[in-house]
Amino acid sequence: ETGVTQSPTHLIKTRGQQVTLRCSSQSGHNTVSWYQQALGQGPQFIFQYYREEENGRGNFPPRFSGLQFPNYSSELNVNALELDDSALYLCASSSRAALDTEAFFGQGTRLTVV
Amino acid sequence: QKEVEQDPGPLSVPEGAIVSLNCTYSNSAFQYFMWYRQYSRKGPELLMYTYSSGNKEDGRFTAQVDKSSKYISLFIRDSQPSDSATYLCAMIPASGGSYIPTFGRGTSLIVHP
Repeated sequence: ETGVTQSPTHLIKTRGQQVTLRCSSQSGHNTVSWYQQALGQGPQFIFQYYREEENGRGNFPPRFSGLQFPNYSSELNVNALELDDSALYLCASSSRAALDTEAFFGQGTRLTVV
Repeated sequence: QKEVEQDPGPLSVPEGAIVSLNCTYSNSAFQYFMWYRQYSRKGPELLMYTYSSGNKEDGRFTAQVDKSSKYISLFIRDSQPSDSATYLCAMIPASGGSYIPTFGRGTSLIVHP
């Protein structure tokens, strides 16, 4: 088991609502990346935070936003939920600023939008 | 065409078989190549990564990169039922200031006793 924990593990929301997902990074790690994994697909990079600043962003609309806190934990916020947002959301923590070759993933949050 | 292509399977093999998992890619800027294992309802777990071309071995696992063919492989020797999982390849370019990994869609592996 990695030291990366995510909450909640499962979530059901209605289209149009807003959701906040949380991630506690592994001890000693200062970088958190968020991914969306649709069923049967590989993880898609959403964004990365390094020392509380956004450090890269994938091809996701602005209604996907994030925060990183001084203790390096992180939140992913999604506004105006759409049915296609249903997916497994993963966070990964690492100790490097940019290269995720040795990132450790949490178990994910399964979001269902109905 | 996706940047990283990976056959979703499923690939079903008997216990003890040698398994070959593969990915092809189109972006010649990729320099770091990773393999992850993902069990059902779990996050991906990094198995190994290689830089540029060549082979890397770790126990029963061997990763190969052939940059001239834009083709990477993961071999699993003496496969076990506990190896049953989805295997994801991922790649990162080493230049251009972007270290965003691109994942394949994963190959489902079933090792039956």
